[in-house]
Amino acid sequence: AQTVTQSQPEMSVQEAETVTLSCTYDTSENNYYLFWYKQPPSRQMILVIRQEAYKQQNATENRFSVNFQKAAKSFSLKISDSQLGDTAMYFCAFMKHRDDKIIFGKGTRLHILP
Amino acid sequence: NAGVMQNPRHLVRRRGQEARLRCSPMKGHSHVYWYRQLPEEGLKFMVYLQKENIIDESGMPKERFSAEFPKEGPSILRIQQVVRGDSAAYFCASSPRSSGIANTGELFFGEGSRLTVL
Repeated sequence: AQTVTQSQPEMSVQEAETVTLSCTYDTSENNYYLFWYKQPPSRQMILVIRQEAYKQQNATENRFSVNFQKAAKSFSLKISDSQLGDTAMYFCAFMKHRDDKIIFGKGTRLHILP
Repeated sequence: NAGVMQNPRHLVRRRGQEARLRCSPMKGHSHVYWYRQLPEEGLKFMVYLQKENIIDESGMPKERFSAEFPKEGPSILRIQQVVRGDSAAYFCASSPRSSGIANTGELFFGEGSRLTVL
């Protein structure tokens, strides 16, 4: 069975700083997808970034980038120039290729301080 | 905004009553997923449906829980004889492709329905 582990329950950083959220996962699959979802206080989950396991290049979306280490089964999220609107719960998630279930970690609550 | 619509946003039930949660997917989406989020936990997959078809219900408790997605109307998650442990936020999501999320991996979520069982 696949598992997703986020070891940081809560983090706080000052606005404009860079922050890295950790995620590790366990799977015997070779082909899969990894995601970071954001859940702001309004509670609607939003996809932040997606990585396909067969792609070596790390995904980037504006201020959000990932460090994907396939051998180490690590998938961290880096937020550069953090903004107050980045305050949210961040969930790391995993999906097997051609599957239809996304498996979520327990989340990291991120506070961006003014 | 024709996003995923869930109602009610908040539902209070007494033990033993029934809870019905509704979800209308985004326009053009025919795949619906239900997830449950317990306090301080991640989302747990419950069930995946297409119109008139349950594709995967491996995360659904065997008793008291059922889901449907009729040809017309919203998807319904039904919880019979609720207990305190059913208190949670229930999220619905839909996916944009005819083959489900396998192609894109992206789910579009609703704002959730928070069930409180007294």
